[in-house]
Amino acid sequence: QSALTQPASVSGSPGQSITIACTGASSDVGGYNYVSWYQQHPGKAPKLMIFDVTSRPSGVSHRFSGSKSGNTASLTISGLQAEDEADYYCCSYADSGSRVFGGGTKLTVL
Amino acid sequence: EVQLVESGGGLVQPGGSLRLSCAASGFSFSSYSLNWVRQAPGKGLEWLSYIRSSSSTIYYADSVRGRFTISRDNAENSLYLQMNSLRADDTAVYYCARETIVGVNFDSWGQGTLVTVSS
Repeated sequence: QSALTQPASVSGSPGQSITIACTGASSDVGGYNYVSWYQQHPGKAPKLMIFDVTSRPSGVSHRFSGSKSGNTASLTISGLQAEDEADYYCCSYADSGSRVFGGGTKLTVL
Repeated sequence: EVQLVESGGGLVQPGGSLRLSCAASGFSFSSYSLNWVRQAPGKGLEWLSYIRSSSSTIYYADSVRGRFTISRDNAENSLYLQMNSLRADDTAVYYCARETIVGVNFDSWGQGTLVTVSS
């Protein structure tokens, strides 16, 4: 049950696009289409932004999108806005029924 | 409106026990699987445990297996986490999270309850 690997931080200017990678293994990210992404602002509970690799819950901006290739999932945020500044976590279903999170990525909007 | 409200956190000495509760409202509690997730101060999210809607299937993270026990009472719309043999590295905010009926996604979260393990 090793944590998925995410970059510790990413940054971008308003209007730009950024991508956050989430690397796992064939026992988790690569083996299942059950990757989700969460946004967390300081002192707040996480919020579901992407589910089942590519799907967006109702109410989440279309600027957020997800994808997966092999053992790596990615979250892309286009048209960066100040309110996107937050921590982002990926999560995957894993063998034996466990769930595993990534270490988290701090997004800074310059 | 879906609501999950955790309670039971507090200060406990190393080796001690604590029972967390999560009161649910605004949805058909008995239809959903639930999870506990924690976040140590300044650290990332860590999944701890899963319980199926009927309690028929339970999973634990290696870090808590044998020390923590998840349970639920569908009649009371409540989820629980019994924590024994607590250690300093169990200090964290503990969240309950509802899982989508299809897939493995946490679509609703509580506000969290802080557990501090210290002498």
